[in-house]
Amino acid sequence: AQSVTQLGSHVSVSEGALVLLRCNYSSSVPPYLFWYVQYPNQGLQLLLKYTTGATLVKGINGFEAEFKKSETSFHLTKPSAHMSDAAEYFCAVDTGFQKLVFGTGTRLLVSP
Amino acid sequence: NAGVTQTPKFRILKIGQSMTLQCTQDMNHNYMYWYRQDPGMGLKLIYYSVGAGITDKGEVPNGYNVSRSTTEDFPLRLELAAPSQTSVYFCASSYSALVEAFFGQGTRLTVV
Repeated sequence: AQSVTQLGSHVSVSEGALVLLRCNYSSSVPPYLFWYVQYPNQGLQLLLKYTTGATLVKGINGFEAEFKKSETSFHLTKPSAHMSDAAEYFCAVDTGFQKLVFGTGTRLLVSP
Repeated sequence: NAGVTQTPKFRILKIGQSMTLQCTQDMNHNYMYWYRQDPGMGLKLIYYSVGAGITDKGEVPNGYNVSRSTTEDFPLRLELAAPSQTSVYFCASSYSALVEAFFGQGTRLTVV
């Protein structure tokens, strides 16, 4: 069965610091991977996705993620955190027909 | 440009009551999904549909029913509400199996 694991339920950074949110996946087939962001009392918004091709994927709001097959990882990064990045971030894997299996989420806290 | 619309946004039910969570999308998407989100957990798939008249179970279908009589609507029915169904429910839709899903704003349901 396909699954994702997000390490760290909370990550705290200072404004301007590097953001690194970790995601590892388990899949017996080439995975389609996603990062979604959820702001308080909102639905989920797609940040970026990996399907095939280039392993470094750029998304919205300056985020990017790199698919590393050898490490079964799809970590999310942003060079410089902004206060508006404070939210919960979910990594997900597509199990077919866009049926997603989500990680447990990582709450990003950004301090001034 | 409404996207995925869920109603109601909030609801409190008594144990044993029934209700229908409404979901409609105006993007002519074939695929629709219902997820539930519990605190500290990722979203879990309840039911999904790949087109009008076609539905199938997800990971956590017990206690729920769905129907898909039109492309636009995908209601979720709770027949006998239980405290374990207290959760935030998200509806999502996707144009195809190869395109990411768009999420509604969620329905926060409390069963007391």
